[in-house]
Amino acid sequence: GQQVMQIPQYQHVQEGEDFTTYCNSSTTLSNIQWYKQRPGGHPVFLIQLVKSGEVKKQKRLTFQFGEAKKNSSLHITATQTTDVGTYFCAGRAISSGSARQLTFGSGTQLTVLP
Amino acid sequence: DSGVTQTPKHLITATGQRVTLRCSPRSGDLSVYWYQQSLDQGLQFLIQYYNGEERAKGNILERFSAQQFPDLHSELNLSSLELGDSALYFCASSAGTENYEQYFGPGTRLTVT
Repeated sequence: GQQVMQIPQYQHVQEGEDFTTYCNSSTTLSNIQWYKQRPGGHPVFLIQLVKSGEVKKQKRLTFQFGEAKKNSSLHITATQTTDVGTYFCAGRAISSGSARQLTFGSGTQLTVLP
Repeated sequence: DSGVTQTPKHLITATGQRVTLRCSPRSGDLSVYWYQQSLDQGLQFLIQYYNGEERAKGNILERFSAQQFPDLHSELNLSSLELGDSALYFCASSAGTENYEQYFGPGTRLTVT
């Protein structure tokens, strides 16, 4: 079945440093979504990417969708303590068998040290 | 507040028992999803309903079942509980099916002793 891998699993950064998490799918994706889960909270939708090579920005966050639509990344510039949490990517395979299922990556847990 | 409600917030029960988790989607959303999140694990998709009909099935155990009612609320039934079923169970809703963002509820923490 479809697998979505995310690296790194954990990342500790000093406040002000940049952070990047990478997402790789075993199959071509029709779209990819990113979610953030604060400690003790629930996942919250951040963004959806649909087009090959798409880049979207939200303030200090930059999201990219690979040309082959099999990978994606989230980059945070100048991290702040409010960025703490686990970032999940979630992809939907383009093949009909699992087209309706959103598969979540294992997440990257970000710790920001003040 | 996502607009998705889940009850109960916490549930402690013994092995072999059966429990029901309840979810009310955001107003107007037709799709309901159930996920299981174990400690330090990602989100495992269990099942999706759209407007009362089962739409997609993930790695849901045969001991688990779900349904979506005419008022669009959903229930997840877990039976013959095992210690390994202890987890956080999230419900999410979306307006449609495939290209819509999902809004997650606060979750139900199930502890099986």
